[in-house]
Parts: sequence; structure tokens; C-alpha cells
Amino acid sequence: GAVVSQHPSWVICKSGTSVKIECRSLDFQATTMFWYRQFPKQSLMLMATSNEGSKATYEQGVEKDKFLINHASLTLSTLTVTSAHPEDSSFYICSASPSGAHGFFGPGTRLTVL
Amino acid sequence: SQQGEEDPQALSIQEGENATMNCSYKTSINNLQWYRQNSGRGLVHLILIRSNEREKHSGRLRVTLDTSKKSSSLLITASRAADTASYFCATSLETSGSRLTFGEGTQLTVNP
Repeated sequence: GAVVSQHPSWVICKSGTSVKIECRSLDFQATTMFWYRQFPKQSLMLMATSNEGSKATYEQGVEKDKFLINHASLTLSTLTVTSAHPEDSSFYICSASPSGAHGFFGPGTRLTVL
Repeated sequence: SQQGEEDPQALSIQEGENATMNCSYKTSINNLQWYRQNSGRGLVHLILIRSNEREKHSGRLRVTLDTSKKSSSLLITASRAADTASYFCATSLETSGSRLTFGEGTQLTVNP
């Protein structure tokens, strides 16, 4: 099946710093990628839709200025958590789909903000 | 968008037994998917069932869909300790892609 990778797999940062997470589709092109967030023992919540070559679409309640998304190529989307705070600590997962297929999820990035 | 509900929230069974998890959702859908997540890991796609399908099988997995009741079930037969994981249903309004609304998940523990 299709492969989606994420980098880094985990990151620990100080409060107030910015963290960039990369999501790559390794063997297919993805005009659209999705970013989800999962708090401990909870389900996944869609944060935003990343669109190649255009602005991301954010879900209600997600601050676009805090979670910057860049989808500069057909295989790469980045999520930058700006001025991270402890409440942003979470598991961030991206997904993408080859045309006509179901979603393939990356392995996730665990962010811990001290 | 609202998430669906899954029950039970937690299920503990012995190896060899069958495990049944249920999922309900609130809106019309194009398809419903089941995913598995081991602790702290990404999601693994298990099966996709479209709104015009009622039942689907894949190995030891059997999924049913009742669009009139807006519900689905996942049956794992002859469970193994390696099946221990969280299981999520997710609905999509689109024919493909991964813009999904997830249920709350069921934590399955299979005891050896």
C-alpha cells in the first residue's frame, strides 16, 4: 500500500518555541493532505486540510495563525506549531490518499511542550 | 463536525473469542472505514465499506453497515493477543480521500 511518512516522530520543546512537522507521501502524489490531532486516550480530530498550491482549510476552533500549514509540493505538507504551549502537547498525525483510495496515515509525531 | 460514538469504550476478552465493536454516526456518509491503532502509533487501515454495501469481509474481520440506523459493527473472529489495540471507525462524505470524522474508539484487550 501507499506510504506516508512523518518527521520527526517525537519532539520536546520549550514553551514559546515553534515546531515544524513534515508529512510526506513517499510513493504517490497528494494534492490534498490532512492534519489530525489526538490527545491522550482520545480520538483523532481533524485540524485542517492542506491543499497543494493554495491555502489550507481549517476546522472550526483551530487557529490558523497558530498552526501554519504549507503544502508546497505534491509530496510534502508541513505543519508548524507556532509559539507552542503545554496545552499544544499532543500526537499530530497526517494522512493522504492516492486518487480513489482510502486514507493512509503517517506514523504520527508526539509533541511535548515543557 | 460531530464525532460518532463507539461502544464499548473498552473490551477485554480471551484469545480465541470473538470481539464485536459498534459504531454510530450522525450524518449521511459516502463510506465508513475502520482503523486500528497500537498504543502511541499511527493508524492502520482495516476495511472500507461504502454506503451502498451492507457487509464486507477481510480475513478474520467482518464489517456490517446499516445506513438506516447510522451504525456499523466490526467483528474480529478468533482473536489473538496481537489484536490488542484501539479500534476506530471513521466516516467520510467523499468517495475517496482521508477527510474523516472519527468515532471515539474501542480499546480491545485480548488476553493470552
